[in-house]
Amino acid sequence: ETGVTQTPRHLVMGMTNKKSLKCEQHLGHNAMYWYKQSAKKPLELMFVYNFKEQTENNSVPSRFSPECPNSSHLFLHLHTLQPEDSALYLCASSPERGRGDTQYFGPGTRLTVL
Amino acid sequence: GEDVEQSLFLSVREGDSSVINCTYTDSSSTYLYWYKQEPGAGLQLLTYIFSNMDMKQDQRLTVLLNKKDKHLSLRIADTQTGDSAIYFCADHSGGYQKVTFGTGTKLQVIP
Repeated sequence: ETGVTQTPRHLVMGMTNKKSLKCEQHLGHNAMYWYKQSAKKPLELMFVYNFKEQTENNSVPSRFSPECPNSSHLFLHLHTLQPEDSALYLCASSPERGRGDTQYFGPGTRLTVL
Repeated sequence: GEDVEQSLFLSVREGDSSVINCTYTDSSSTYLYWYKQEPGAGLQLLTYIFSNMDMKQDQRLTVLLNKKDKHLSLRIADTQTGDSAIYFCADHSGGYQKVTFGTGTKLQVIP
């Protein structure tokens, strides 16, 4: 048990659908992250939240919209995605951004866009 | 930006030692990590090493760091089939305080 949970574990959606990914951490951390993992590519950091404030957006298209209502929950809202957005989306948390803290990862959501 | 590079694939026989290598470019690294990802699962932190250390041993795992050459390795002794996974090296930059991941090395253990 890593302390970071993600739902759903698998998601298939059409390009016109709207869906959301959920991440919850039970570690008392203050920083949360969304990563995208595509085949044969390095992990790509998408968004960072520190104490509920978004501190990083790494040129992510606006069809991905994060939300962090509190330090324990992180959402990724998806709309009008493209097939190339199919990937494993990983959530992570750490005690605080910017202090050399280790990030702990959830199991990921495997997203397929048709 | 910083780069972290790994070979994509390694195959070893059960019972042998595995050595997974990683090179990085960031000269202000503070921590270097090894993560394991089993099929269908997220990343699991295996071990990490502070940049002022040369070696760290944890049961079957040995991490070696050559800071001069910016080279990190993970040695798994007595490799088992359950060690089959993708192993990611990650560099934590002291300057900007971000974690950069390598592409991952897929370890295949042959029974």
